[in-house]
Amino acid sequence: ELKVEQNPLFLSMQEGKNYTIYCNYSTTSDRLYWYRQDPGKSLESLFVLLSNGAVKQEGRLMASLDTKARLSTLHITAAVHDLSATYFCAVDSPAYSGAGSYQLTFGKGTKLSVIP
Amino acid sequence: DTAVSQTPKYLVTQMGNDKSIKCEQNLGHDTMYWYKQDSKKFLKIMFSYNNKELIINETVPNRFSPKSPDKAHLNLHINSLELGDSAVYFCASSQEHSSGLAGGPEDYEQYFGPGTRLTVT
Repeated sequence: ELKVEQNPLFLSMQEGKNYTIYCNYSTTSDRLYWYRQDPGKSLESLFVLLSNGAVKQEGRLMASLDTKARLSTLHITAAVHDLSATYFCAVDSPAYSGAGSYQLTFGKGTKLSVIP
Repeated sequence: DTAVSQTPKYLVTQMGNDKSIKCEQNLGHDTMYWYKQDSKKFLKIMFSYNNKELIINETVPNRFSPKSPDKAHLNLHINSLELGDSAVYFCASSQEHSSGLAGGPEDYEQYFGPGTRLTVT
């Protein structure tokens, strides 16, 4: 069974500081996703990482993927209050051995609070 | 233009009742999904469905059943509701999601609906 572990699960940081959220997964996968969820809202796609070494940046967020280490990171640069949300990573895998369809397995989420 | 829509947004009902949640996507996607998010915000896939295959997560009770009248809709029926069914249910869609697909990020991305908060009393 695919396991996806995020850490930390809770992160309180001051505005202007940098920090990294880590996402480890247990089996081979070629695709990793990062989502953002605001309280009471749906999931917003941030990044789709398709290959080893992939790096994507959007504003103060940068995501990377190391498929050999089965690790993805979400780096936050100079945090601002608007980044406060829960961030999920998710990994694609076949629904079962030999399946043609893939399913996402989510980490437990990292609740980020940026303090002014 | 809402890409993935769900109704109702809130649903409060009593134990033992049967209820449905509707989902519609206007993205022309081939695959749709249902997820459950529990009180600890943990998200878990319940079903994925396209015109070729319905995949049911083995942990989902058979009181839950997806029904797809057409490619743009995947409704969730729940029979004999229990207290533990209280959660937020999200519908999502993507392009056909298979191992044979070799496209760009937009082909794999799942788009989520706004969610339905189900409360069973």
